[in-house]
Amino acid sequence: DAGITQSPRHKVTETGTPVTLRCHQTENHRYMYWYRQDPGHGLRLIHYSYGVKDTDKGEVSDGYSVSRSKTEDFLLTLESATSSQTSVYFCAISEMGQSSTDTQYFGPGTRLTVL
Amino acid sequence: AQKVTQAQTEISVVEKEDVTLDCVYETRDTTYYLFWYKQPPSGELVFLIRRNSFDEQNEISGRYSWNFQKSTSSFNFTITASQVVDSAVYFCALRPYSSASKIIFGSGTRLSIRP
Repeated sequence: DAGITQSPRHKVTETGTPVTLRCHQTENHRYMYWYRQDPGHGLRLIHYSYGVKDTDKGEVSDGYSVSRSKTEDFLLTLESATSSQTSVYFCAISEMGQSSTDTQYFGPGTRLTVL
Repeated sequence: AQKVTQAQTEISVVEKEDVTLDCVYETRDTTYYLFWYKQPPSGELVFLIRRNSFDEQNEISGRYSWNFQKSTSSFNFTITASQVVDSAVYFCALRPYSSASKIIFGSGTRLSIRP
């Protein structure tokens, strides 16, 4: 199994509060991703990173920001959480980018509830 | 459009039956990669297989087999002699070569194996 951890694993917060989710990897993979999973939608990409300090938006990036100051850590921040951001959040990593087969391996997920 | 369609939302079969999960994809790229992931009730996402667009050879791994047909843009997954432990949500996914590491997921098929 790929060495990916996410913290916290569960969080309940209130509307309007900031929330930061952390993804940590021990594989030294270059690419890291944040997805959200909602019923009927499968997984949707929020943001991804292709290196330290290099990030880009996915299809559902509004209301989220990310940072990557170290290869092993990728943070997802909800600046002001809303109920629509209640979801399960998955981090993923992959070894190489566009020129590769790019299999993504997933972390265990974080269940976030915004009241 | 680039997308993945898993038309079967839920499937329920009796243990030891064979079951096929359908996946149809659309992409304008001539080079692309297809994936299957399994999400058991515990919630993690487990990588099962990756297939390159230039390799149409079918693959068998134990009770699992995959049928890739470019002519019909399909990448179907068959479980032979199903077991209760196969109960999970299964996701098909597509990464077009031009997508800069972004994977497009289908909405998933929930498979229930009854004893």
